[in-house]
Amino acid sequence: TQLLEQSPQFLSIQEGENLTVYCNSSSVFSSLQWYRQEPGEGPVLLVTVVTGGEVKKLKRLTFQFGDARKDSSLHITAAQPGDTGLYLCAGETSNTPQGGSEKLVFGKGTKLTVNP
Amino acid sequence: DAGVTQSPTHLIKTRGQHVTLRCSPISGHKSVSWYQQVLGQGPQFIFQYYEKEERGRGNFPDRFSARQFPNYSSELNVNALLLGDSALYLCASSLNGKAYEQYFGPGTRLTVT
Repeated sequence: TQLLEQSPQFLSIQEGENLTVYCNSSSVFSSLQWYRQEPGEGPVLLVTVVTGGEVKKLKRLTFQFGDARKDSSLHITAAQPGDTGLYLCAGETSNTPQGGSEKLVFGKGTKLTVNP
Repeated sequence: DAGVTQSPTHLIKTRGQHVTLRCSPISGHKSVSWYQQVLGQGPQFIFQYYEKEERGRGNFPDRFSARQFPNYSSELNVNALLLGDSALYLCASSLNGKAYEQYFGPGTRLTVT
């Protein structure tokens, strides 16, 4: 069974602080996605990383995929109250050994609260 | 263009009852996947359908079933509801079934009492 472990589970910080969220697995994923989810809503895709060692930036958010494609991190610079939400990482994997259909395996998420 | 839509938004059912949840994918998308998200957990994969055929099934009991219609919309059915089925049920659509291209709907919040 492929598992994704996210840490920390909860994070409460003040506006303007920096933070890093981690996503780790013993399995290799062909790609990894980061989502943000607001209460009562579906996850919204932030980024997809595909290549080992890849770094992607989205404004104040920096995403990194590990060289071995087993882990990833999300770094937020100068956090704002609007960044509050549940951050989920998800790895892409195949439903069958032959490949073809694919599913996402999600971590449990990091619940971030940014206080004004 | 409209995103993925799901109905109903909220639903309350009693143990032992049956429920049907509905999903309309983004226009042009041929694949629909269903996920269950229990409070405090990440979403768990239930089913994937592509071109009206089941392409994948997660580790869920046979009480869970689904189908996809010719217009690519989908239904998720759950029989003999248990308290543990209370969750947010998410539908995601993609053009060709690729997981990294999935877009999620807002979900249906199911409460079983």
